[in-house]
Amino acid sequence: EAQVTQNPRYLITVTGKKLTVTCSQNMNHEYMSWYRQDPGLGLRQIYYSMNVEVTDKGDVPEGYKVSRKEKRNFPLILESPSPNQTSLYFCASRASGTGELFFGEGSRLTVL
Amino acid sequence: AQKVTQAQTEISVVEKEDVTLDCVYETRDTTYYLFWYKQPPSGELVFLIRRNSFDEQNEISGRYSWNFQKSTSSFNFTITASQVVDSAVYFCALTPPLARQLTFGSGTQLTVLP
Repeated sequence: EAQVTQNPRYLITVTGKKLTVTCSQNMNHEYMSWYRQDPGLGLRQIYYSMNVEVTDKGDVPEGYKVSRKEKRNFPLILESPSPNQTSLYFCASRASGTGELFFGEGSRLTVL
Repeated sequence: AQKVTQAQTEISVVEKEDVTLDCVYETRDTTYYLFWYKQPPSGELVFLIRRNSFDEQNEISGRYSWNFQKSTSSFNFTITASQVVDSAVYFCALTPPLARQLTFGSGTQLTVLP
């Protein structure tokens, strides 16, 4: 089954404690991306990757890091989380050129 | 720059009523894709439809239909005979091909009351 898998789905953490949200897709997609969703703001892009070892900032990259060492994986790293990073995070992937994004199930992060 | 506007923040209807969700977009690209996604209370994003800018035919899928009008830059979504299970947040989105991101509207919360 074609899917994008995120882990963890739910996480409560404290300010400053580094965390990683993993994302993996099994569709051999070149493009992967992270979005965050906040009430009234829709989805905003954090980082994206056009292929292995190619990453770039989206609209709200501050406080986040990513890496793309393998085609299937695109982890999101919060080196020192802060309460304003409390949000619902989505990983997504897309085959080159089609436009349609496939989303993971979302990871709800709370930073206390 | 691209922009997607969903002016209706919340809509509430009674079951079996028809409801239309509005989406207006702005783009300077001549080729682009438009999407609708559904986000039920469980939180996942469910793809509903993709439409490219050269195809202005309306589309119907069961109780769902989409009206794409390039002249007014609108891509509206109608649910006929709404059901409680249609309660969700609906997002409209826009992208040119090969773009770095999908631009989303802020979403419309639809509540269907029994």
